[in-house]
Amino acid sequence: DQQVKQNSPSLSVQEGRISILNCDYTNSMFDYFLWYKKYPAEGPTFLISISSIKDKNEDGRFTVFLNKSAKHLSLHIVPSQPGDSAVYFCAAIGGTSYGKLTFGQGTILTVHP
Amino acid sequence: GAVVSQHPSWVICKSGTSVKIECRSLDFQATTMFWYRQFPKQSLMLMATSNEGSKATYEQGVEKDKFLINHASLTLSTLTVTSAHPEDSSFYICSAISRGRAGQPQHFGDGTRLSIL
Repeated sequence: DQQVKQNSPSLSVQEGRISILNCDYTNSMFDYFLWYKKYPAEGPTFLISISSIKDKNEDGRFTVFLNKSAKHLSLHIVPSQPGDSAVYFCAAIGGTSYGKLTFGQGTILTVHP
Repeated sequence: GAVVSQHPSWVICKSGTSVKIECRSLDFQATTMFWYRQFPKQSLMLMATSNEGSKATYEQGVEKDKFLINHASLTLSTLTVTSAHPEDSSFYICSAISRGRAGQPQHFGDGTRLSIL
């Protein structure tokens, strides 16, 4: 049972444009969501997070939007840069499982110069 | 920022060998460490949660006698793959957190590529 889903396995974007990565979840007990960036043969690096009591969080070029009624979140990167090319995972924490992350399948972002 | 060191980064060994992977938090005390496994083109799957000084909690389907986890100190957790076989070949990643505000991001090691011949 995939509780966190990233339905787009890949996304290709031109440098300078906006990248929008999407994530859906099914467990209403999740109360915190995170986005991680991962390069091959490396561990994930934390990017940005959002609490379920908020609908938007912004940090520089990265903005995460949360739509609780739709159980959907998205990561916006603007402007996109070639160095942003990586695999992006959304993850969720919730309920009594302190710190236990449930990951989506990941989306490969490629930003073309 | 917080750093988690994982060692070794790559292991190749014969079938039947036991392999130990170390995960260290370098500049903070990790009360909880997590061990994940990632198959090619798939998500990170949580294997077990390890709290310092207590037994690890394993996820459903993960053999605790196969994947031995020890979290003897606040800066070190180890995962031992016992009698490894080719199907155990995978990318293993640890992460660590210290108790604090809810939802704090986990800090990940760089992973260990395990290849069993």
